[in-house]
Amino acid sequence: AQKITQTQPGMFVQEKEAVTLDCTYDTSDQSYGLFWYKQPSSGEMIFLIYQGSYDEQNATEGRYSLNFQKARKSANLVISASQLGDSAMYFCAMRERDTGRRALTFGSGTRLQVQP
Amino acid sequence: ETGVTQTPRHLVMGMTNKKSLKCEQHLGHNAMYWYKQSAKKPLELMFVYNFKEQTENNSVPSRFSPECPNSSHLFLHLHTLQPEDSALYLCASSHAGQGEVGETQYFGPGTRLLVL
Repeated sequence: AQKITQTQPGMFVQEKEAVTLDCTYDTSDQSYGLFWYKQPSSGEMIFLIYQGSYDEQNATEGRYSLNFQKARKSANLVISASQLGDSAMYFCAMRERDTGRRALTFGSGTRLQVQP
Repeated sequence: ETGVTQTPRHLVMGMTNKKSLKCEQHLGHNAMYWYKQSAKKPLELMFVYNFKEQTENNSVPSRFSPECPNSSHLFLHLHTLQPEDSALYLCASSHAGQGEVGETQYFGPGTRLLVL
């Protein structure tokens, strides 16, 4: 089974509107971390936001927030007030404590296009 | 220079060539990573180095040879590659704690490799 599932290959949003990018994950570990990265066409992966499995509050970073629903194993990224510069690929990723691995497991990504 | 840098940004090589990719991090981190991003596939971990020691090798073919002379530099030596090795190669670094799931990885801009 896939560890990280992003079911939306592509999304469109109007400038200044909010958009939600979906991410579901699969783990039996009690301690894990969830990350979102943005990848513009230039290629660099830019860290956006982090949510720990024991964090009681949803993470927020400026216009980014994470809608964390632990029981449903979902960690959706919400971008408020979309800007043209938000057009990019967005990846959800996870690290599990019990595997002992440092590396992140990534989803297949969602391409977001912001329209003027 | 700040963050994580990678050179070259673009590389075209024949199947009989030998080339090297270079990564340097200016963040004071002690763990470094190589990831491969092929078209329409999630990022795949290749290698992890922690304090210059290789700690993870994700069954990477021997035509890819990593080298980590110190905590700031990471190389990927390439020889007799195949056309299917064409991809974006991303380097990342992090501050390795004691099994912390929230350890954030910061990425370089990547090297776009084309094997002819």
